[in-house]
Amino acid sequence: DSGVTQTPKHLITATGQRVTLRCSPRSGDLSVYWYQQSLDQGLQFLIQYYNGEERAKGNILERFSAQQFPDLHSELNLSSLELGDSALYFCASSPSGTSGITDTQYFGPGTRLTVL
Amino acid sequence: GQNIDQPTEMTATEGAIVQINCTYQTSGFNGLFWYQQHAGEAPTFLSYNVLDGLEEKGRFSSFLSRSKGYSYLLLKELQMKDSASYLCAVSGYNKLIFGAGTRLAVHP
Repeated sequence: DSGVTQTPKHLITATGQRVTLRCSPRSGDLSVYWYQQSLDQGLQFLIQYYNGEERAKGNILERFSAQQFPDLHSELNLSSLELGDSALYFCASSPSGTSGITDTQYFGPGTRLTVL
Repeated sequence: GQNIDQPTEMTATEGAIVQINCTYQTSGFNGLFWYQQHAGEAPTFLSYNVLDGLEEKGRFSSFLSRSKGYSYLLLKELQMKDSASYLCAVSGYNKLIFGAGTRLAVHP
């Protein structure tokens, strides 16, 4: 158990809908990262928040957005869902804002999103 | 741009040693991570290298050569539970970029 929690574990929805995924970082961690992992593909970095502020952006679609709240939990919002958005969405956290020296990212169990 | 290459699949025998290679090209380098991921589960941290050389941690060791853009993960005394994907990830400019992963199958 990494200490990072994600809800829900599974989500099934229809095309065109909007969903919200939630992540709580490890106690004391200030950074939250979101990743997408489609079937048989690598982890794709979406976005990072550090202490409430957006810190880095990856290949995140305009239909997707995220935020980090004062209690440091984060939400990833996915809208106008398409079949291709079906994937595992992982949240990770780290103590500080840089994926650098000693700043390991610890991953939550993921949310499996299925778009029908 | 950034590019990370790993073999797609490898097989090995229980009790043996296997080496998983990773080559990378990146602008900005803060270190290289190895993660293990069982199917459908979260990646779990294995090792981190920022300086050249070998880091040993039990049955797992990781090596880095920054000048060659090369790393490897060495797994000794393989066990069936080591069957998983092994992800090489390069850290730089506030991003951790993952390779596609190497799927390792350990057979009796």
